[in-house]
Amino acid sequence: QTVVTQEPSLTVSPGGTVTLTCASSTGAVTSGFYPNWFQQKPGQAPRSLIHSTDYKHSWTPARFSGSLLGGKAVLTLSDVRPEDEADYYCLLYLGGAQLGVFGGGTKLTVL
Amino acid sequence: QVHLEESGPGLVKPSGALSLTCGVSGASINSPNWWTWVRQPPGQGLEWIGEIYHSGSTNYNPSLESRVTISVDKSKNQFSLNLRSVTAADTAVYYCARVSHDIAATIALDQWGQGTLVTVSS
Repeated sequence: QTVVTQEPSLTVSPGGTVTLTCASSTGAVTSGFYPNWFQQKPGQAPRSLIHSTDYKHSWTPARFSGSLLGGKAVLTLSDVRPEDEADYYCLLYLGGAQLGVFGGGTKLTVL
Repeated sequence: QVHLEESGPGLVKPSGALSLTCGVSGASINSPNWWTWVRQPPGQGLEWIGEIYHSGSTNYNPSLESRVTISVDKSKNQFSLNLRSVTAADTAVYYCARVSHDIAATIALDQWGQGTLVTVSS
């Protein structure tokens, strides 16, 4: 069974930059995994930020960006704000996009 | 504006079946998108359950496949989740979402319901 791994927790200072990663136990993550990134705040449903590696939605703040680096999917937050404190989840699609697997999530603290 | 809303019992007895429906408004379930279920046990991460296309084609999480059925009702513009033989481990907030393919060769879970808590307990 494929395991998708994220950093359990990260801390960043306001105004700083932080990188969250998403790795697959099957090997390098590619665009064919259609990496998706979600933000979830307490008591709320997840909100899609990035899909298909680096596509943004109309509601995605410009300071969020997605990419692939070193065999992992990457979510970069620049100019971090206090309201970015949340849990972040990645989702990878496997088996020809017929199986979705979420990472365990990263708890981002802005301090 | 697309809106999804989960509905169903909030309490299910162990060994029973969990049944939820996701009503879709602002979009047709016949559109070229998949429709998915995701769950989140209290204090834990997200788990992908499965998805369905309006044709009835489905994909399921192998760890749940023996107990889960996702179906679609085009006349009501909704899709449903049925999970059998539930245990306390199935206690979770269940979300439905749209899997958009609006842009070629992309996959985006772009619209989510607010989620509904289902507790498995006697």
